[in-house]
Amino acid sequence: DAGVTQSPTHLIKTRGQQVTLRCSPKSGHDTVSWYQQALGQGPQFIFQYYEEEERQRGNFPDRFSGHQYPNYSSELNVNALLLGDSALYLCASSLLRHTPTNEKLFFGSGTQLSVL
Amino acid sequence: DAKTTQPPSMDCAEGRAANLPCNHSTISGNEYVYWYRQIHSQGPQYIIHGLKNNETNEMASLIITEDRKSSTLILPHATLRDTAVYYCIVRVALFLSGNTPLVFGKGTRLSVIA
Repeated sequence: DAGVTQSPTHLIKTRGQQVTLRCSPKSGHDTVSWYQQALGQGPQFIFQYYEEEERQRGNFPDRFSGHQYPNYSSELNVNALLLGDSALYLCASSLLRHTPTNEKLFFGSGTQLSVL
Repeated sequence: DAKTTQPPSMDCAEGRAANLPCNHSTISGNEYVYWYRQIHSQGPQYIIHGLKNNETNEMASLIITEDRKSSTLILPHATLRDTAVYYCIVRVALFLSGNTPLVFGKGTRLSVIA
Protein backbone atom coordinates (compact mmCIF):
# COMPACT_ATOMS: atom_id res chain seq x y z
CA ASP A 1 0.00 0.00 0.00
CA ALA A 2 1.64 3.21 -1.18
CA GLY A 3 1.60 6.07 1.23
CA VAL A 4 1.36 9.72 0.29
CA THR A 5 3.48 10.48 -2.76
CA GLN A 6 4.62 13.93 -3.87
CA SER A 7 6.33 15.15 -6.99
CA PRO A 8 8.76 16.51 -7.79
CA THR A 9 11.08 16.02 -4.81
CA HIS A 10 13.12 19.13 -5.60
CA LEU A 11 12.45 22.18 -7.73
CA ILE A 12 14.33 25.37 -8.52
CA LYS A 13 12.48 28.42 -9.84
CA THR A 14 13.20 32.12 -10.26
CA ARG A 15 11.26 35.04 -8.83
CA GLY A 16 8.01 35.79 -10.65
CA GLN A 17 7.60 32.30 -12.08
CA GLN A 18 4.74 29.93 -11.37
CA VAL A 19 5.01 26.43 -9.94
CA THR A 20 2.75 23.37 -9.64
CA LEU A 21 3.32 20.67 -7.05
CA ARG A 22 1.50 17.34 -7.08
CA CYS A 23 0.27 14.93 -4.44
CA SER A 24 -1.32 11.49 -4.47
CA PRO A 25 -3.01 10.62 -1.18
CA LYS A 26 -2.75 7.34 0.67
CA SER A 27 -5.03 4.69 -0.80
CA GLY A 28 -8.56 5.05 0.55
CA HIS A 29 -8.10 8.63 1.76
CA ASP A 30 -10.34 11.42 0.48
CA THR A 31 -8.99 14.58 2.09
CA VAL A 32 -5.76 16.36 1.16
CA SER A 33 -4.08 19.17 3.09
CA TRP A 34 -1.04 21.22 2.13
CA TYR A 35 1.55 22.65 4.51
CA GLN A 36 4.54 24.94 4.03
CA GLN A 37 7.64 24.42 6.16
CA ALA A 38 10.32 27.09 6.21
CA LEU A 39 13.81 26.15 7.36
CA GLY A 40 13.92 25.64 11.14
CA GLN A 41 10.17 26.10 11.58
CA GLY A 42 7.23 23.79 12.03
CA PRO A 43 4.86 23.20 9.09
CA GLN A 44 2.23 25.88 8.47
CA PHE A 45 -1.24 24.99 7.13
CA ILE A 46 -2.03 26.33 3.66
CA PHE A 47 -5.39 24.76 2.76
CA GLN A 48 -7.43 21.57 2.72
CA TYR A 49 -9.41 19.93 -0.08
CA TYR A 50 -12.32 17.55 0.18
CA GLU A 51 -14.78 16.56 -2.56
CA GLU A 52 -12.81 18.73 -5.02
CA GLU A 53 -13.47 21.90 -3.02
CA GLU A 54 -11.27 24.02 -0.77
CA ARG A 55 -12.75 23.52 2.69
CA GLN A 56 -10.37 25.36 4.98
CA ARG A 57 -7.58 27.84 4.40
CA GLY A 58 -4.71 29.15 6.47
CA ASN A 59 -3.20 32.62 6.37
CA PHE A 60 -1.74 32.48 2.87
CA PRO A 61 -2.28 34.94 -0.01
CA ASP A 62 -4.32 34.20 -3.12
CA ARG A 63 -1.10 33.47 -5.00
CA PHE A 64 -1.46 30.04 -3.42
CA SER A 65 -4.21 28.00 -5.03
CA GLY A 66 -5.04 24.36 -5.37
CA HIS A 67 -7.12 21.71 -6.98
CA GLN A 68 -8.39 18.26 -6.15
CA TYR A 69 -9.29 15.73 -8.82
CA PRO A 70 -12.02 13.05 -8.72
CA ASN A 71 -9.36 10.43 -7.90
CA TYR A 72 -8.52 12.54 -4.78
CA SER A 73 -5.08 13.58 -6.03
CA SER A 74 -4.26 17.24 -5.58
CA GLU A 75 -2.14 20.08 -6.91
CA LEU A 76 -0.72 23.16 -5.23
CA ASN A 77 -0.08 26.15 -7.47
CA VAL A 78 1.94 29.18 -6.50
CA ASN A 79 1.99 32.23 -8.79
CA ALA A 80 4.42 35.15 -8.88
CA LEU A 81 7.00 33.37 -6.78
CA LEU A 82 8.86 35.33 -4.12
CA LEU A 83 12.18 34.50 -2.48
CA GLY A 84 10.23 33.89 0.74
CA ASP A 85 8.30 31.06 -0.90
CA SER A 86 11.40 28.89 -0.67
CA ALA A 87 10.38 26.06 1.64
CA LEU A 88 9.49 22.41 1.97
CA TYR A 89 5.90 21.86 0.81
CA LEU A 90 4.19 18.95 2.47
CA CYS A 91 1.03 17.13 1.48
CA ALA A 92 -1.00 15.21 4.04
CA SER A 93 -3.98 12.93 3.51
CA SER A 94 -6.71 11.62 5.76
CA LEU A 95 -10.19 10.13 5.65
CA LEU A 96 -12.87 12.64 6.61
CA ARG A 97 -15.22 10.17 8.23
CA HIS A 98 -12.63 8.89 10.71
CA THR A 99 -13.71 9.33 14.30
CA PRO A 100 -11.63 11.42 16.74
CA THR A 101 -10.34 8.25 18.34
CA ASN A 102 -8.61 6.99 15.21
CA GLU A 103 -8.16 9.99 12.94
CA LYS A 104 -4.59 10.86 11.94
CA LEU A 105 -2.80 12.53 9.07
CA PHE A 106 -0.30 10.80 6.81
CA PHE A 107 2.35 13.08 5.32
CA GLY A 108 4.42 12.76 2.20
CA SER A 109 8.15 13.50 2.15
CA GLY A 110 7.54 16.87 0.56
CA THR A 111 8.76 18.97 -2.34
CA GLN A 112 11.74 21.21 -1.63
CA LEU A 113 11.18 24.46 -3.55
CA SER A 114 14.02 26.92 -3.99
CA VAL A 115 13.27 30.36 -5.44
CA LEU A 116 16.29 32.24 -6.76
CA ASP B 1 -0.15 30.30 16.96
CA ALA B 2 0.74 27.01 18.61
CA LYS B 3 -1.05 26.43 21.92
CA THR B 4 1.71 24.28 23.36
CA THR B 5 5.12 24.88 24.95
CA GLN B 6 7.97 22.41 24.52
CA PRO B 7 11.68 22.53 25.38
CA PRO B 8 13.70 23.27 22.23
CA SER B 9 16.04 20.31 22.63
CA MET B 10 16.74 17.19 24.68
CA ASP B 11 19.31 14.41 24.72
CA CYS B 12 18.70 10.77 25.57
CA ALA B 13 21.07 7.81 25.84
CA GLU B 14 20.35 4.93 23.50
CA GLY B 15 18.31 2.22 25.22
CA ARG B 16 16.98 4.54 27.88
CA ALA B 17 13.47 5.96 28.08
CA ALA B 18 12.97 9.35 26.46
CA ASN B 19 10.43 11.54 28.27
CA LEU B 20 9.31 14.56 26.25
CA PRO B 21 7.21 17.13 28.14
CA CYS B 22 4.57 19.42 26.73
CA ASN B 23 2.65 22.23 28.38
CA HIS B 24 -0.85 23.06 27.13
CA SER B 25 -2.33 25.03 30.00
CA THR B 26 -5.11 26.62 27.89
CA ILE B 27 -6.42 23.36 26.45
CA SER B 28 -10.21 23.15 26.00
CA GLY B 29 -12.38 20.22 27.00
CA ASN B 30 -12.89 19.09 23.41
CA GLU B 31 -9.26 19.34 22.33
CA TYR B 32 -7.10 16.29 21.85
CA VAL B 33 -3.35 16.11 22.43
CA TYR B 34 -1.47 14.84 19.37
CA TRP B 35 2.18 13.96 18.96
CA TYR B 36 3.97 13.85 15.62
CA ARG B 37 7.66 13.54 14.86
CA GLN B 38 9.74 14.59 11.88
CA ILE B 39 12.92 12.79 11.02
CA HIS B 40 15.36 14.80 8.91
CA SER B 41 14.30 15.17 5.26
CA GLN B 42 10.98 13.41 5.81
CA GLY B 43 7.39 14.53 6.42
CA PRO B 44 5.90 14.43 9.93
CA GLN B 45 4.87 11.02 11.22
CA TYR B 46 1.92 10.42 13.55
CA ILE B 47 2.90 8.90 16.90
CA ILE B 48 -0.07 8.94 19.26
CA HIS B 49 -2.97 11.04 20.49
CA GLY B 50 -5.37 11.16 23.43
CA LEU B 51 -8.12 13.14 25.09
CA LYS B 52 -7.75 12.58 28.82
CA ASN B 53 -6.79 8.98 29.44
CA ASN B 54 -3.26 7.66 29.14
CA GLU B 55 -2.63 5.98 25.81
CA THR B 56 -0.11 3.41 24.61
CA ASN B 57 0.66 2.00 21.19
CA GLU B 58 3.55 0.20 19.53
CA MET B 59 5.56 3.41 19.25
CA ALA B 60 5.06 5.26 22.52
CA SER B 61 3.02 6.06 25.59
CA LEU B 62 1.17 9.31 26.26
CA ILE B 63 0.64 10.43 29.83
CA ILE B 64 -1.85 13.30 30.30
CA THR B 65 -2.15 14.96 33.69
CA GLU B 66 -5.51 14.89 35.43
CA ASP B 67 -6.09 18.61 34.83
CA ARG B 68 -5.02 18.09 31.18
CA LYS B 69 -2.70 21.09 31.31
CA SER B 70 0.39 19.08 30.45
CA SER B 71 1.43 15.77 28.98
CA THR B 72 4.51 13.60 28.49
CA LEU B 73 5.41 11.46 25.51
CA ILE B 74 7.45 8.41 26.51
CA LEU B 75 9.62 6.44 24.12
CA PRO B 76 10.40 3.42 26.32
CA HIS B 77 13.67 2.31 24.74
CA ALA B 78 15.08 5.05 22.53
CA THR B 79 17.19 4.10 19.52
CA LEU B 80 19.32 6.21 17.20
CA ARG B 81 16.44 6.11 14.69
CA ASP B 82 14.28 8.04 17.17
CA THR B 83 16.43 11.14 16.66
CA ALA B 84 13.92 13.67 15.30
CA VAL B 85 11.91 16.81 16.04
CA TYR B 86 8.86 15.95 18.15
CA TYR B 87 5.77 18.12 17.91
CA CYS B 88 3.05 18.32 20.56
CA ILE B 89 -0.23 19.68 19.15
CA VAL B 90 -3.63 20.34 20.68
CA ARG B 91 -6.48 20.11 18.24
CA VAL B 92 -10.25 20.13 18.14
CA ALA B 93 -11.65 17.33 16.04
CA LEU B 94 -14.49 18.78 13.93
CA PHE B 95 -15.82 16.19 11.55
CA LEU B 96 -18.83 17.95 10.11
CA SER B 97 -16.96 20.77 8.45
CA GLY B 98 -13.66 19.10 7.72
CA ASN B 99 -10.66 17.86 9.60
CA THR B 100 -9.16 20.55 11.80
CA PRO B 101 -5.70 21.60 10.61
CA LEU B 102 -2.66 20.83 12.71
CA VAL B 103 -0.97 23.90 14.20
CA PHE B 104 2.72 23.10 14.63
CA GLY B 105 5.10 24.93 16.93
CA LYS B 106 8.87 24.49 16.75
CA GLY B 107 8.82 21.20 18.65
CA THR B 108 11.56 19.49 20.65
CA ARG B 109 14.68 18.28 18.87
CA LEU B 110 15.49 14.92 20.48
CA SER B 111 19.00 13.60 20.00
CA VAL B 112 19.54 9.96 20.92
CA ILE B 113 23.19 9.37 21.75
CA ALA B 114 25.02 6.05 21.46
